[in-house]
Amino acid sequence: AQSVTQLDSHVSVSEGTPVLLRCNYSSSYSPSLFWYVQHPNKGLQLLLKYTSAATLVKGINGFEAEFKKSETSFHLTKPSAHMSDAAEYFCVVSGDYGNKLVFGAGTILRVKS
Amino acid sequence: GAGVSQSPSNKVTEKGKDVELRCDPISGHTALYWYRQSLGQGLEFLIYFQGNSAPDKSGLPSDRFSAERTGGSVSTLTIQRTQQEDSAVYLCASRGGGSTDTQYFGPGTRLTVL
Repeated sequence: AQSVTQLDSHVSVSEGTPVLLRCNYSSSYSPSLFWYVQHPNKGLQLLLKYTSAATLVKGINGFEAEFKKSETSFHLTKPSAHMSDAAEYFCVVSGDYGNKLVFGAGTILRVKS
Repeated sequence: GAGVSQSPSNKVTEKGKDVELRCDPISGHTALYWYRQSLGQGLEFLIYFQGNSAPDKSGLPSDRFSAERTGGSVSTLTIQRTQQEDSAVYLCASRGGGSTDTQYFGPGTRLTVL
């Protein structure tokens, strides 16, 4: 069975400061890991994905995540937050039969001006 | 098409009525998934199609829920005798042939059961 734990339900940062959204996963398989973002009343958009290639993954809008097998973590970071980054972020694991996605509970990112 | 489309975007129905939700995947995508996003349960998997067959229905919450896919393309999710706890946003996603390919999501159908 696979699962994902997002360690913070809410994160608040000031514009221009770094962002860190934490995620730990559990998987019996070699996992694929994703971060998706959902802006208010919008659909889910893929930020980045890890599929057993490079452990440091770069995504859109300046986000990146590092896969650490020893820590079973896949934290999302961005050096400098922008107001437009305010949204809900989901850490996701797949790799099980059919590659269905298992979502974390989500982290709501608030960016203060 | 350019992306995954879903219809209707919003559906309000009365308890006990049946509803049908439609998903048009990206052209050529063989895999199709339904998920549900609700306040209490977060985002959860419902069913997976590969072509027209559904090898994984493990997420369907009850026998009131069913889905089909025809022609390897359009899928319909049907909820019979709707209950208030069925109120949620129903999301469809499609994926190309590679197992590590990205799942692309549609905008969702917001279902409200009164």
